[in-house]
Amino acid sequence: EVQLVESGGGLVQPGGSLRLSCAASGFTFSNHWMHWVRQVPGKGLVWVSRINSDGIITDYADSVKGRFTISRDNAENTLYLQVDSLRAEDTAVYYCARAAHTFDFWSGYYIWYFDLWGRGTLVTVSS
Amino acid sequence: DIQMTQSPSSLSASVADRVTITCRASQSISTYLNWYQQKPRKAPQLLIYAASSLQSGVPSRFSGSGSGTDFTLTISSLQPEDFATYYCQQTHSTPHTFGQGTKLEIK
Repeated sequence: EVQLVESGGGLVQPGGSLRLSCAASGFTFSNHWMHWVRQVPGKGLVWVSRINSDGIITDYADSVKGRFTISRDNAENTLYLQVDSLRAEDTAVYYCARAAHTFDFWSGYYIWYFDLWGRGTLVTVSS
Repeated sequence: DIQMTQSPSSLSASVADRVTITCRASQSISTYLNWYQQKPRKAPQLLIYAASSLQSGVPSRFSGSGSGTDFTLTISSLQPEDFATYYCQQTHSTPHTFGQGTKLEIK
C-alpha cells in the first residue's frame, strides 16, 4: 500500500527537542522531494520545510529556520524532522507529504504539488 | 513571501448546489496553484494541481481555473461527502504558502 506514516510526536517542555519520522512505503521514496507541513488544531495549514530526493537541497520557513532540521534516509525510506528549541507556538500536528510534479510547457519549469500525505503526528509544547 | 487569500472563509450550501471558492495570490504565480480538501481529523487530500488538472481518482464535479493571481475551485453539484475545508496552495516559490481555508458547511 502506498502510504506515509508519521511518528515521534508527543508532549515536550519549551526549549526541548523531538525527532519526527515519516516512514514511506509502496513507492520509490528516493525519487521524490518530500515536505513537512504543520497545522495547529482547528487552524490552517502551514508549510514548514522541504528536502530534495537525494537530501542535498533543503528549505525552511522563516519561523523554524535554525531550530528545525529536515533530513532523509533513502535506504530506510524514512524522512525526518529534528525539532529543537521548541516553543509553545510550535504546537501542531505535523504532516509529511510527498511531492510530485508536472511540466509546464509555457514556463519550462515543473509545477509541484503534494499528492500523498501522512496522517500526522501531534507535537505539544507545554510546561 | 507570497500571500494567498481565500474567499469566502466559510460557506453554507445544500446538496446539489454549485459552489465556487476563490483564491487570490499577492503576486503572479502563473498556474503554480493547487487545491486540497481536508475533513475533520484527517490529512489533506489533493483535488486539483497546476490550477486546473484533476488529480486521479477525484470526481469530475471538482474543477479548477485561473492563472496569474486569481483562481477558482468549483464543485458543480455538491454531494454530502464534499462538506469539508478547502485550501489553496502556491508552489511558485518557497515558502509554499496556503490560503487560510474555506469551510464548506451544510445549509
